[in-house]
Amino acid sequence: QKEVEQNSGPLSVPEGAIASLNCTYSDRGSQSFFWYRQYSGKSPELIMFIYSNGDKEDGRFTAQLNKASQYVSLLIRDSQPSDSATYLCAVNTGSGAGSYQLTFGKGTKLSVIP
Amino acid sequence: KAGVTQTPRYLIKTRGQQVTLSCSPISGHRSVSWYQQTPGQGLQFLFEYFSETQRNKGNFPGRFSGRQFSNSRSEMNVSTLELGDSALYLCASSLGLARTDTQYFGPGTRLTVL
Repeated sequence: QKEVEQNSGPLSVPEGAIASLNCTYSDRGSQSFFWYRQYSGKSPELIMFIYSNGDKEDGRFTAQLNKASQYVSLLIRDSQPSDSATYLCAVNTGSGAGSYQLTFGKGTKLSVIP
Repeated sequence: KAGVTQTPRYLIKTRGQQVTLSCSPISGHRSVSWYQQTPGQGLQFLFEYFSETQRNKGNFPGRFSGRQFSNSRSEMNVSTLELGDSALYLCASSLGLARTDTQYFGPGTRLTVL
């Protein structure tokens, strides 16, 4: 059973602080990793994807991947109240190039306090 | 470019009935995936279609089936509905050719089974 684990939270951070979200996965053969943001009542929205070990930065967001430890994280710098949402970690375990079979964690609820 | 569209947005059915949900992917996308989201189980993968063929399948009973048409539009069918099938059903599309292709979600269909 391929699993993705996240701390359910809620994680509360003050406005302007760094929010750190973590995720571990069980399938060592996983190749691609995603972070989605989901506002209440809405569908998931892709924030970042990462395939290689190390860091990947996009604006205020940094994704970190450590395949040896089977660990993925998302850092949100200068957190804003509009970042308050549930953050979903997903691992693609699909077979073949371009193939999609995302296994999601249960999500971490983030609250940014003004 | 228009996003992923799903119809209907809301649906109420009774136990034992069957239901068909529809998904139109982003223009040019050939991969369509279906997910079920419930408060208890989170987001779970149902299946992925690419060029009218099922490419990946999750761990759902045979009551859940799907198909994809030559224009990449997809339908999902659930037969003999159970109360536990009440969920948000999400469709997502991608180009489906390379692992760098990202997947975008539609707004979802909210199914309530009474």
